[in-house]
Amino acid sequence: DAKTTQPPSMDCAEGRAANLPCNHSTISGNEYVYWYRQIHSQGPQYIIHGLKNNETNEMASLIITEDRKSSTLILPHATLRDTAVYYCIVRVEGGGADGLTFGKGTHLIIQP
Amino acid sequence: ETGVTQSPTHLIKTRGQQVTLRCSSQSGHNTVSWYQQALGQGPQFIFQYYREEENGRGNFPPRFSGLQFPNYSSELNVNALELDDSALYLCASSTGTGVHIYGYTFGSGTRLTVV
Repeated sequence: DAKTTQPPSMDCAEGRAANLPCNHSTISGNEYVYWYRQIHSQGPQYIIHGLKNNETNEMASLIITEDRKSSTLILPHATLRDTAVYYCIVRVEGGGADGLTFGKGTHLIIQP
Repeated sequence: ETGVTQSPTHLIKTRGQQVTLRCSSQSGHNTVSWYQQALGQGPQFIFQYYREEENGRGNFPPRFSGLQFPNYSSELNVNALELDDSALYLCASSTGTGVHIYGYTFGSGTRLTVV
C-alpha cells in the first residue's frame, strides 16, 4: 500500500466545516483512498472511500485532486462528537489478505 | 444486525504468561482480522483468518497465533507475554473471498496490560 502523510493534529470550531488533508503522492492507478476515524476508546469506523471522483455520503465528502496525489476529507458541520483521530489509507479495493495499513492519523479536536 | 464484540474489555497479565482474547464477528461476515494498537500509534495488522485458516500476516512473531471457528468467531492467543505487548487489541470482521476483502467493522477492543 502507498504511504500517506497527514498533519498530526487540527482544531475546528463546532458548526464549521472541518477539512482534513492527506498527501499520497505515490498512489497507484488502481488504489483507492479510504478514510477511517477512531473515537476515543472505540475501534476505527469507516467513513468514505473514492478512486478519482469526488464522493459524498451522510457522514462526509471526499475531494481527490485531479492528479490523485492528495485528498481532503470534509465534515460539513462539525460537532463535538466528531473529535477523533482520522486515518487516511490508500489501498487497492478489496485489498487482499494483508490488512489495513494505518499511520498515526490526524487528531481532530472540535472546539465548542 | 449486531456489531463486532470483543471480550474481555480489559485484562492485566504478568510477563511470561499466556493470554487469549475473543471476538464475535458481525452477522454475515466471514473474515476476521486482528490489530495491535500501542498508545499514540495507529493500529498494526497482526493477521487475518478466512475459512478457519490464516491467510495473511503482518510483522508479528509466531507467539501471536489465532483461531477462527465455523461460526466465524475468532481468538487471538499470545504466548510468553512481554511488557511491549501492552496495547489495545482490535478485532475487525469483514466479508470477502480471502483475496478480496470489503467492509471492515471493528470492535471496541481489549485493553491488555502486561506487568
